[in-house]
Amino acid sequence: GAVVSQHPSRVICKSGTSVKIECRSLDFQATTMFWYRQFPKQSLMLMATSNEGSKATYEQGVEKDKFLINHASLTLSTLTVTSAHPEDSSFYICSARDRREQGRLSSNEKLFFGSGTQLSVL
Amino acid sequence: RKEVEQDPGPFNVPEGATVAFNCTYSNSASQSFFWYRQDCRKEPKLLMSVYSSGNEDGRFTAQLNRASQYISLLIRDSKLSDSATYLCVVNAFNTNAGKSTFGDGTTLTVKP
Repeated sequence: GAVVSQHPSRVICKSGTSVKIECRSLDFQATTMFWYRQFPKQSLMLMATSNEGSKATYEQGVEKDKFLINHASLTLSTLTVTSAHPEDSSFYICSARDRREQGRLSSNEKLFFGSGTQLSVL
Repeated sequence: RKEVEQDPGPFNVPEGATVAFNCTYSNSASQSFFWYRQDCRKEPKLLMSVYSSGNEDGRFTAQLNRASQYISLLIRDSKLSDSATYLCVVNAFNTNAGKSTFGDGTTLTVKP
């Protein structure tokens, strides 16, 4: 099946540091990738939709200047948490959908997830 | 009201039990439906897609009722390895690039 690679898997950093997380689709192209945050014992919360070659679309309440998203190619999206603070500590995870499936009204529009990044800000 | 609502759980069942999870969605334009399984601090993994005709994969059966906007997952003969959080996921193509909406998840613990 399709594979999404996410790095790093774990980051521990000091407050004020910026952290970059990469999400790559390894064997398919994705014009759209999604970034989520998950706090302990809570569900995935969509932060933003990353669109290749254009600006990301952010969910209400998510600061676009805080969480910078770049989707420069069909296989790579990055999320940068700028000036991270302890409250940004969370599990961040990306997902992607095969562009060949995108927009098709079929039950094959499933998401492929990266393995997640556990961010701990001290 | 949340777009996708699931049984809050947690469900604690003995091995061999049958357990059912329910999920309702509010967007009538929703087009595709899935159950994902998530283990603690891991990424969600697709368990099965959900079709209008219902579908079965081994011990797992998923049902969709479009009229009631309701999805279910039935697990028969529960195994210890079934312990996880089960996420109901709904796609609606009238939204941003077919955004997927997740339920909060239902936690299942299968005990010996």
